[in-house]
Amino acid sequence: AQTIHQWPVAEIKAVGSPLSLGCTIKGKSSPNLYWYWQATGGTLQQLFYSITVGQVESVVQLNLSASRPKDDQFILSTEKLLLSHSGFYLCAGEKDTQYFGPGTRLLVL
Amino acid sequence: GDQVEQSPSALSLHEGTGSALRCNFTTTMRAVQWFRKNSRGSLINLFYLASGTKENGRLKSAFDSKERYSTLHIRDAQLEDSGTYFCAAKNTGGLSGKLTFGEGTQVTVIS
Repeated sequence: AQTIHQWPVAEIKAVGSPLSLGCTIKGKSSPNLYWYWQATGGTLQQLFYSITVGQVESVVQLNLSASRPKDDQFILSTEKLLLSHSGFYLCAGEKDTQYFGPGTRLLVL
Repeated sequence: GDQVEQSPSALSLHEGTGSALRCNFTTTMRAVQWFRKNSRGSLINLFYLASGTKENGRLKSAFDSKERYSTLHIRDAQLEDSGTYFCAAKNTGGLSGKLTFGEGTQVTVIS
């Protein structure tokens, strides 16, 4: 069975500070991996996707970047957080069906 | 761009009754997924359909790519069915695996 782990569970950060969110997926080899973001009260938006190690495609520009250093790992980061980065971040893995991780709640103050 | 119109936005059901949620698509989609939001805000997979219908317990989903819609039927609703349900569709071209989400349906089952 496929399991997706995200870290941290939640974070409160200052504007201008760096951010790194992690996601690992176990149980599937070479899955497509995705980062989603949902602002409070907003719709879930796909941010990035990756079909293989080292290859990441951006879907929505939010002054964030993503990397896939390993087959089972997907990292979302930025060097300078904005207030608008607050929200709920979901990582998803896919082999036909997309399965979502538990999410990370981020509050930028 | 691709749009997914989900309805209704909210639904109240008495225990034991049933109803349906619907998603209409503005373009041809090649697959649809239905999710339910858990208590933490993450999404639990209910169904993945590339065509036809699937059933799981008291839930049943249908997808018609040509007619551009999908439905999720809840029968014999129970209190634990309360929650927010989302459809998400995968388009036929463009980004691999790009899911476009509906805005969700808040389902409340009342005794």
